[in-house]
Amino acid sequence: GAVVSQHPSRVICKSGTSVKIECRSLDFQATTMFWYRQFPKKSLMLMATSNEGSKATYEQGVEKDKFLINHASLTLSTLTVTSAHPEDSSFYICSARDYKQVLNEQYFGPGTRLTVT
Amino acid sequence: AQSVTQLDSHVSVSEGTPVLLRCNYSSSYSPSLFWYVQHPNKGLQLLLKYTSAATLVKGINGFEAEFKKSETSFHLTKPSAHMSDAAEYFCVVSDIDQAGTALIFGKGTTLSVSS
Repeated sequence: GAVVSQHPSRVICKSGTSVKIECRSLDFQATTMFWYRQFPKKSLMLMATSNEGSKATYEQGVEKDKFLINHASLTLSTLTVTSAHPEDSSFYICSARDYKQVLNEQYFGPGTRLTVT
Repeated sequence: AQSVTQLDSHVSVSEGTPVLLRCNYSSSYSPSLFWYVQHPNKGLQLLLKYTSAATLVKGINGFEAEFKKSETSFHLTKPSAHMSDAAEYFCVVSDIDQAGTALIFGKGTTLSVSS
């Protein structure tokens, strides 16, 4: 089946530093990837839609200068949290859509736990 | 506009008894509907999906869901709960014709299973 990986699985960083999270589709090509954020005991909140070779589309209220998304290839999208603050601590999950599929099924990565101290 | 409502934030059952997790949706188009499960500190696992084929959808681990257009519902059921079923469950909707659009998540239902 389709597999999506995320790296790192968890990261602790100091306030003011930047953190990069990678999302990779391992056995399929993904023209579109999505980045979600999940707070404890809450549902997933879509942050942005990432399309290969073009700028990401951010949801309302998400700071594009703080959450930099790059989708440079059909198998890799990265989310960089710039100048991280404790309130950015969260569980970040990416998903990817197989461009060969007609239907809108997405495959989810295992998530990255970010803790900002 | 699409939306999904999970009617129960928390469901508690005893091991061996049936499970019912309720979900209602709203969609302007023909929807794709999904149920995902998330165990603590883990990613999402797809349980099953409805994509306009059979209205009764069978998934993994003995779960199934029935698409009822007249009731705009997609409830998740399992005949007999197992302790390992304790987790967070998300009902998700997407437009079947809108490839590349994001999924819309319900708020989630926490399933607790007691022995």
